[in-house]
Amino acid sequence: IAGITQAPTSQILAAGRRMTLRCTQDMRHNAMYWYRQDLGLGLRLIHYSNTAGTTGKGEVPDGYSVSRANTDDFPLTLASAVPSQTSVYFCASSVTSGGVGEQFFGPGTRLTVL
Amino acid sequence: GQNIDQPTEMTATEGAIVQINCTYQTSGFNGLFWYQQHAGEAPTFLSYNVLDGLEEKGRFSSFLSRSKGYSYLLLKELQMKDSASYLCASTDSNYQLIWGAGTKLIIKP
Repeated sequence: IAGITQAPTSQILAAGRRMTLRCTQDMRHNAMYWYRQDLGLGLRLIHYSNTAGTTGKGEVPDGYSVSRANTDDFPLTLASAVPSQTSVYFCASSVTSGGVGEQFFGPGTRLTVL
Repeated sequence: GQNIDQPTEMTATEGAIVQINCTYQTSGFNGLFWYQQHAGEAPTFLSYNVLDGLEEKGRFSSFLSRSKGYSYLLLKELQMKDSASYLCASTDSNYQLIWGAGTKLIIKP
């Protein structure tokens, strides 16, 4: 692994199903983030984690949950998917939190909820 | 409220110079970021300004005026590979990034 990876690359999901998007980084970064990107709206923060064991809510957290059991992994779970959750999801990480420093992005997961 | 505004789309000619503007209103300013995003790819970091003035990095420069809530990204000697979206971002009251919708830059030969 080099940098930050996400899985799956893309997924088509029936409404009401549960889905976990995976994110792993090998840079030992403290902070991690989940964004969704929709046409014309830019990136919106769903949840974040400033360090392992802590998480926080972003701008659009409803319908999503996260956990940060260790430094490397930050999975995002949709408990019961709805069509409005159709989007491209990006995981990112940074050395520190606090809005300073570069964020490194994974390649994204394209999710379609039907 | 918190808001970041940037033009939706711009067109420029190969070899020319283009300036992409960004205005922001945020409650926890901790710097202004510019990222580049090619279609279908992830954003990649371009620049970070925390003090007023111009930061130059090769063909790309970024300017910040904190008193005016204004930044711009200047791209010189445009190349076809510069066709991409350019994202402006700053911090909210929780010191998390909030993002503009992005400026799609189209480069014509």
